[in-house]
Amino acid sequence: NAGVTQTPKFRVLKTGQSMTLLCAQDMNHEYMYWYRQDPGMGLRLIHYSVGEGTTAKGEVPDGYNVSRLKKQNFLLGLESAAPSQTSVYFCASSYSRTALNTGELFFGEGSRLTVL
Amino acid sequence: AQSVTQPDIHITVSEGASLELRCNYSYGATPYLFWYVQSPGQGLQLLLKYFSGDTLVQGIKGFEAEFKRSQSSFNLRKPSVHWSDAAEYFCAVGAREYGNKLVFGAGTILRVKS
Repeated sequence: NAGVTQTPKFRVLKTGQSMTLLCAQDMNHEYMYWYRQDPGMGLRLIHYSVGEGTTAKGEVPDGYNVSRLKKQNFLLGLESAAPSQTSVYFCASSYSRTALNTGELFFGEGSRLTVL
Repeated sequence: AQSVTQPDIHITVSEGASLELRCNYSYGATPYLFWYVQSPGQGLQLLLKYFSGDTLVQGIKGFEAEFKRSQSSFNLRKPSVHWSDAAEYFCAVGAREYGNKLVFGAGTILRVKS
């Protein structure tokens, strides 16, 4: 099992450019999440999805958009990149919709984005 | 608002010594509690989790954590640290009432000296 796969692993952008990060999971999980990780701040939730075709804002959604057209994929888009979006981005997924849901997250290996 | 505090940004311990990483939380609902570990350049791996029942939980790699409701704490411990334990450790809290979105602490970087 591949688990959670993120592409690309590394990317350098110029201010104002756009890009999309792709997250794919093969565990049939309902919930998917995008976090950003910055030194001394832990992981902060950007957007999340509770199922195919649904998305919701997290803690730091500004400057990002997401889409969940297929259950296994969750895309994170930056329409006009800014230096403040330099970060490491993590995708995660979790199983849900049952009383046994425990909220445990399964993470990808991260995507390092630098905006110049 | 929900919050998680890891008071120690860095901790250095000698190989073979015991370890305790602190985590305090502020949550309005019955929490689920997690500890994750992140090795350099890697994603996060679950070490252990607590939902209910016995307040002392065992995890992988010889780690354990104790939930203390009165202190709103969930500290991670290991009796004898190995050099391979050097990593960053994150405490996280979630609750079904909040859609199971996890809130993470800022992390504690563990250095192990030989």
